Amino acid sequence: GAVVSQHPSWVICKSGTSVKIECRSLDFQATTMFWYRQFPKQSLMLMATSNEGSKATYEQGVEKDKFLINHASLTLSTLTVTSAHPEDSSFYICSARDRGWETQYFGPGTRLLVL
Amino acid sequence: SQKIEQNSEALNIQEGKTATLTCNYTNYSPAYLQWYRQDPGRGPVFLLLIRENEKEKRKERLKVTFDTTLKQSLFHITASQPADSATYLCALESASKIIFGSGTRLSIRP
Repeated sequence: GAVVSQHPSWVICKSGTSVKIECRSLDFQATTMFWYRQFPKQSLMLMATSNEGSKATYEQGVEKDKFLINHASLTLSTLTVTSAHPEDSSFYICSARDRGWETQYFGPGTRLLVL
Repeated sequence: SQKIEQNSEALNIQEGKTATLTCNYTNYSPAYLQWYRQDPGRGPVFLLLIRENEKEKRKERLKVTFDTTLKQSLFHITASQPADSATYLCALESASKIIFGSGTRLSIRP
């Protein structure tokens, strides 16, 4: 099956620093990647959708200058949380699918803790 | 407004019984609906996809039904096992985005 990896799996950082999370598709071309955020005991909330080579489309209420998304290749997308604050602490999950696919495949997630 | 609702936040059943989870949606007309499993601290894993013209789909001990008139999907796990304990999410696609329900946390007790 299609495999998606994320790195790092967890990160602790100080308030005000920036954190980059990588999402890679290992055995398929990820023409579209999605970034989600999940708070404890809540469902996945879509943050943004990115198509390879294009600017990401952000959901309402998600600050594009704070959550920078780059999808420069068909196998890699990055999410950078800039000037992180404790309220950004969450579980960040990416998913990916190729053109024409109905199903998306998820990475294992990255747990971010901002002190 | 558009909604996807999974009516039970948590479901606790005895091992060996059939677990039935419900997903209802309003103000969507999905061409298909998907079910995912999520374990604590992990990303969701795709289980089944059912299309609008399919009434039922099966995969091993899993069965999904899709009633577009009722705007409802049912997800069944037969002969449930403790290893089936997880959160199950329904999802449908709208405007090229996949939207998830809030999930049902299923616990199978031995």
